[in-house]
Amino acid sequence: GAGVSQSPSNKVTEKGKDVELRCDPISGHTALYWYRQSLGQGLEFLIYFQGNSAPDKSGLPSDRFSAERTGGSVSTLTIQRTQQEDSAVYLCASSRGFDRASSYEQYFGPGTRLTVT
Amino acid sequence: EDQVTQSPEALRLQEGESSSLNCSYTVSGLRGLFWYRQDPGKGPEFLFTLYSAGEEKEKERLKATLTKKESFLHITAPKPEDSATYLCAVQSNQAGTALIFGKGTTLSVSS
Repeated sequence: GAGVSQSPSNKVTEKGKDVELRCDPISGHTALYWYRQSLGQGLEFLIYFQGNSAPDKSGLPSDRFSAERTGGSVSTLTIQRTQQEDSAVYLCASSRGFDRASSYEQYFGPGTRLTVT
Repeated sequence: EDQVTQSPEALRLQEGESSSLNCSYTVSGLRGLFWYRQDPGKGPEFLFTLYSAGEEKEKERLKATLTKKESFLHITAPKPEDSATYLCAVQSNQAGTALIFGKGTTLSVSS
C-alpha cells in the first residue's frame, strides 16, 4: 500500500475489557514496530517484528500486552484487561530492513487513539 | 542509558525568522539519528536520517546537521505550514532497532 495503515483510528473501551489494534505495514517492508505515545510523554518502544518473529519484546509494559504478526504482513497488538493507564496513542511503523543498505528508516501510521474509561 | 533531549520544548517564530532546534543525545554506539515531523492527530512523518558526525541533509527550508553529541534542525525562512512538533530519535547498537525518541519541539510560525 501507499503507507502504513492502522485500525481503528479511535477506540473507547471500559476498564477490564480486551482490545485489539491492527497494523498494515507498507508492502514489502520486513520489519514492523509498535510504539506508544502518551500525553506529555515521548514515543515509547513496545515491540518489533522481523518477519513473523519478535526478537525484542522488552518494551511491553506488562504481560497484559501481546502482539503477533502473520504472513510477514499484518500485525495485531492485544491489550487484555485494559487499565486507565493504557490510554494513549498506539503507533505502528515499518521499515524495509535492518541494515543500512536496505534502509531501516521507520515510516509511521496514523495511530490508534485508545481511551479506557 | 541511551537518552535524547530536545530543546526548546516550544518555539514561536514569525514567518521568515530563521532558527534552530537542538537534539542532544547520549548513546552507546550511534547507529543513526532521525528527524520526524508530527502534526496534531497524525503519526510522525520521516524527514532525515544522519549516520555520522559531520553529515548534513537538506529538504526545502530544513537542514539537519550532526555532531558526536548533538544534532540541529535549522529552519530557514519558515512559513506557517512549517508549524508542527519536530521529533528527534536515535537508534543505538545497544537498543537494537528500537528508536529512542526525545519529547519533541513544538514549533509555531505566525504570519
